Amino acid sequence: IAGITQAPTSQILAAGRRMTLRCTQDMRHNAMYWYRQDLGLGLRLIHYSNTAGTTGKGEVPDGYSVSRANTDDFPLTLASAVPSQTSVYFCASSDSAGTGDGYTFGSGTRLTVV
Amino acid sequence: GQNIDQPTEMTATEGAIVQINCTYQTSGFNGLFWYQQHAGEAPTFLSYNVLDGLEEKGRFSSFLSRSKGYSYLLLKELQMKDSASYLCAVTDSNYQLIWGAGTKLIIKP
Repeated sequence: IAGITQAPTSQILAAGRRMTLRCTQDMRHNAMYWYRQDLGLGLRLIHYSNTAGTTGKGEVPDGYSVSRANTDDFPLTLASAVPSQTSVYFCASSDSAGTGDGYTFGSGTRLTVV
Repeated sequence: GQNIDQPTEMTATEGAIVQINCTYQTSGFNGLFWYQQHAGEAPTFLSYNVLDGLEEKGRFSSFLSRSKGYSYLLLKELQMKDSASYLCAVTDSNYQLIWGAGTKLIIKP
């Protein structure tokens, strides 16, 4: 089934630890995105990639890094987790930035930093 | 700054019609999306408007007025499964999606 796979589904992480959230898509979409979603707030863009080999910072990039070595994979790394990074993280992709087809989202990773 | 406003929560009755409004102020406009998100799940695409007017898709319709910075999502013949959050998002001049906080729709029997 074509779509986006995120792993892990959920994680409890000790503060100060390093963590990589995985995201893989099989739709050959050019653009990929990482969002965090917190109660009462809209989806906030962390980082994005318009095509393989390029990345950009979104609205809330501090404490996070990404890489886009190929079309399919877009991992998100927390170098040293802090409690404020407790959130639900969604990876998304689109055929190209700004199309009317919308974004396809992964099922999310629920991260708790303690 | 960029801003998208939607009501936080709405309640409606099964079988009825409900209209969810969205107003936006963004740097440029390249389209408006509506997404549905059930609790604990990912958002799923509902509709896209780039020109003024009404787009109809089954029980759901979406309207856009670019001059007013306004859109609404109209849901007809409400079903219990329509209980979800509805997210409005606008593509700005850099083709980045700006998201509203979402409207939680509660359907009562």
